[in-house]
Amino acid sequence: DVKVTQSSRYLVKRTGEKVFLECVQDMDHENMFWYRQDPGLGLRLIYFSYDVKMKEKGDIPEGYSVSREKKERFSLILESASTNQTSMYLCASRGSGGSLNEQFFGPGTRLTVL
Amino acid sequence: AQSVSQHNHHVILSEAASLELGCNYSYGGTVNLFWYVQYPGQHLQLLLKYFSGDPLVKGIKGFEAEFIKSKFSFNLRKPSVQWSDTAEYFCAVRTNAGNNRKLIWGLGTSLAVNP
Repeated sequence: DVKVTQSSRYLVKRTGEKVFLECVQDMDHENMFWYRQDPGLGLRLIYFSYDVKMKEKGDIPEGYSVSREKKERFSLILESASTNQTSMYLCASRGSGGSLNEQFFGPGTRLTVL
Repeated sequence: AQSVSQHNHHVILSEAASLELGCNYSYGGTVNLFWYVQYPGQHLQLLLKYFSGDPLVKGIKGFEAEFIKSKFSFNLRKPSVQWSDTAEYFCAVRTNAGNNRKLIWGLGTSLAVNP
């Protein structure tokens, strides 16, 4: 089974702090994604990566950056956390093979910024 | 812009009732279609998917969905729901336009099944 793990289930940070969210997948997937999930807004794509050191902006990249130094790990960085970044953050990965493959999700990190 | 619309935001049913959740997308070309489910406290997981062939797709836990190309729809159905089907359901679409590495998501439908 594909396993996507996220470093924390719950995280509380203060405004202005730098926050790192880590995601690791164990299936050698090329593609990895960061979403945020908010009630009534569904899943919104922040960034995705299709290869090591490669990244593309999603729909809401402002206030976030990402890092992919190794294939299995994709990090989301909040340079200076703000209260409007309080949300559930979901990581996903997908193999290659065109559009045939599904995305596999991690359990999520619920981030609260005070 | 391509988009996915889920008509029902909140649905409440009694056990044994039939379920149909609507999903429509706006794109005229080739699409791949997905339904994902998120049970309370659990991670998102795939319920079923359509790529080609038979437009009636069967998924896990008795769910099925029908792709109707002329209506740009991919509605999710289950003949008889159970309390354990209480969850949030998301429809997603991948098109063959431009950068097709990402999915376009609906806003989700929250289903509550009363025992």
